[in-house]
Amino acid sequence: KAGVTQTPRYLIKTRGQQVTLSCSPISGHRSVSWYQQTPGQGLQFLFEYFSETQRNKGNFPGRFSGRQFSNSRSEMNVSTLELGDSALYLCASSLDPWGALGTDTQYFGPGTRLTVL
Amino acid sequence: ELKVEQNPLFLSMQEGKNYTIYCNYSTTSDRLYWYRQDPGKSLESLFVLLSNGAVKQEGRLMASLDTKARLSTLHITAAVHDLSATYFCAAGADGLTFGKGTHLIIQP
Repeated sequence: KAGVTQTPRYLIKTRGQQVTLSCSPISGHRSVSWYQQTPGQGLQFLFEYFSETQRNKGNFPGRFSGRQFSNSRSEMNVSTLELGDSALYLCASSLDPWGALGTDTQYFGPGTRLTVL
Repeated sequence: ELKVEQNPLFLSMQEGKNYTIYCNYSTTSDRLYWYRQDPGKSLESLFVLLSNGAVKQEGRLMASLDTKARLSTLHITAAVHDLSATYFCAAGADGLTFGKGTHLIIQP
């Protein structure tokens, strides 16, 4: 079974630009979550999409947005980039991590390393 | 707001020794996760603990959960160099809250 894929793997942008990151979940998984990892703040939850709907959201400004398509692929967009947005962005897929079964772990992709200059 | 604290944050140990990483969380969480991250790599799922008293073991790693104490432990038995990595615990019911990670170095 193919794992979670993320594209691109590396990005360099300048302040004020916007960026779109893509995540393809494991086949059959309907949930995609996004996380930001930085040395200072660690791993922080951005949002989760389930069946094309944003189901949960972390504490990030509105410049961070996302969407999920009918094939469960997800994109994350960051507008008006700031230096502090430089980070590793990880997506994770699962059948339903917060559902009744409760046994579903999240499988993480390799991440997109974003550098904002 | 859920807070997750791990300790220690850094741990250097010798091969063959045993050690425990602790993970405390501040509010009720019905599940607790442990992940491993190697330098420059993504997160690898180790354990999902769902109920009080849950214990799971994989090789030299054993994780347990005490929901009353809001405490999970990751115990390493007879450590080997290949277990060197950063270990994260995470909790939450609508988005994971991660601890800061324990950077583990196992020296021959």
